[in-house]
Amino acid sequence: EPEVTQTPSHQVTQMGQEVILRCVPISNHLYFYWYRQILGQKVEFLVSFYNNEISEKSEIFDDQFSVERPDGSNFTLKIRSTKLEDSAMYFCASTFTDGGQETQYFGPGTRLLVL
Amino acid sequence: DQQVKQNSPSLSVQEGRISILNCDYTNSMFDYFLWYKKYPAEGPTFLISISSIKDKNEDGRFTVFLNKSAKHLSLHIVPSQPGDSAVYFCAASGSGNTPLVFGKGTRLSVIA
Repeated sequence: EPEVTQTPSHQVTQMGQEVILRCVPISNHLYFYWYRQILGQKVEFLVSFYNNEISEKSEIFDDQFSVERPDGSNFTLKIRSTKLEDSAMYFCASTFTDGGQETQYFGPGTRLLVL
Repeated sequence: DQQVKQNSPSLSVQEGRISILNCDYTNSMFDYFLWYKKYPAEGPTFLISISSIKDKNEDGRFTVFLNKSAKHLSLHIVPSQPGDSAVYFCAASGSGNTPLVFGKGTRLSVIA
């Protein structure tokens, strides 16, 4: 069964460093998402991406964040200068939709720890 | 701003009995509702969904009920099994490809 994959599974970084989180969405999916979950809190939407551009972003997704689909398979989330409060699980999700209601399928997540 | 609320942080149920997980929402623009199951250190796994045009959707042991007038949905698991022990998230979205809004989750423990 196709699934969303994410790498790395864990990332530890120093505050102020750049990190890139990688995702391979399900191959025929068209919409891609990043969510995060800070420990003990709910899963929160960061950004959605379609047709090589951001379609929607939350207030969390500030100038420190960027997303890219550098090739036909990868979808990346970059945090330019990490802060302590960026420590969280980051989940990638994807969906195939022609505009109707479709389920978002999630990857296993990357646990980011900023020291 | 809790648009999706799961008021029970935890629930314990005996194996073989019914588990009922509840979810309330406030945004009347939501028209698609999903339940995800999550184990520690894993991503949310899709369980079952329901569109606002329906009031019930069933898939094996899992049934989701939607009461639009009350802005309430529930997930029934019957019979409950120890492998069902996980955190269950309710999520909602508007039409099209809008982002999911999640509840805080309910930790279900099924006791053998």
